[in-house]
Amino acid sequence: DVVMTQSPLSLPVTLGQPASISCRSSQSLVHSDGNTYLNWFQQRPGQSPRRLIYKVSNRDSGVPDRFSGSGSGTDFTLKISRVEAEDVGVYYCMQSTHWPPLTFGGGTKVEIK
Amino acid sequence: EVQLVESGGGLVQPGGSLRISCAASGFTFSNYWMNWVRQTPGKGLEWVANIKEDGSEKYYVDSVKGRFVISRDNAKNSLYLQMDSLRAEDTAVYYCARGTQHAHWGQGALVTVSS
Repeated sequence: DVVMTQSPLSLPVTLGQPASISCRSSQSLVHSDGNTYLNWFQQRPGQSPRRLIYKVSNRDSGVPDRFSGSGSGTDFTLKISRVEAEDVGVYYCMQSTHWPPLTFGGGTKVEIK
Repeated sequence: EVQLVESGGGLVQPGGSLRISCAASGFTFSNYWMNWVRQTPGKGLEWVANIKEDGSEKYYVDSVKGRFVISRDNAKNSLYLQMDSLRAEDTAVYYCARGTQHAHWGQGALVTVSS
């Protein structure tokens, strides 16, 4: 199984400042079709997860452009250029290149300082 | 608008059974793989099972193999998870999610396994 490791576990951020979350996989996420199936999800308090980014760097419809995804192979990053209050929550990465099983990272909690 | 609505959650004793459902609307259900993902209280996300568009392929996480069965009814735009031999560690919110990329999620159904 592919193990997804996120860091940090918790990320206190000042409003308006940038934030960066790392996700590393135990093996390369490049699929035989050439795509890299690494997605990012946001889970606000009391809500269901919502996908923000798919295939490393593609923002979903309605996702603010302050969110961006990057990376390749086994190392990936989600960046928030300027954190807003509504960004508080837990962020998860998920790989769907090598499955079953599909696997999630352990989550990173973003909170306001 | 894509909507996924889970139902059927509740309290069940260890060793018991429960079936949860997911009603889909706003998209052509029969064109998508569908998944169940669970989240234990205060913890992270765990993929549980998925099923191909026509139901011909099904996959499970090791911890539920032989106990849970995923199914779908494309005529009713519905996804199901039959859970047998339930254990305390199966207590979680169960979400249905669309596609292998999990583009859309439901609001979740709470399953509590306790005596």
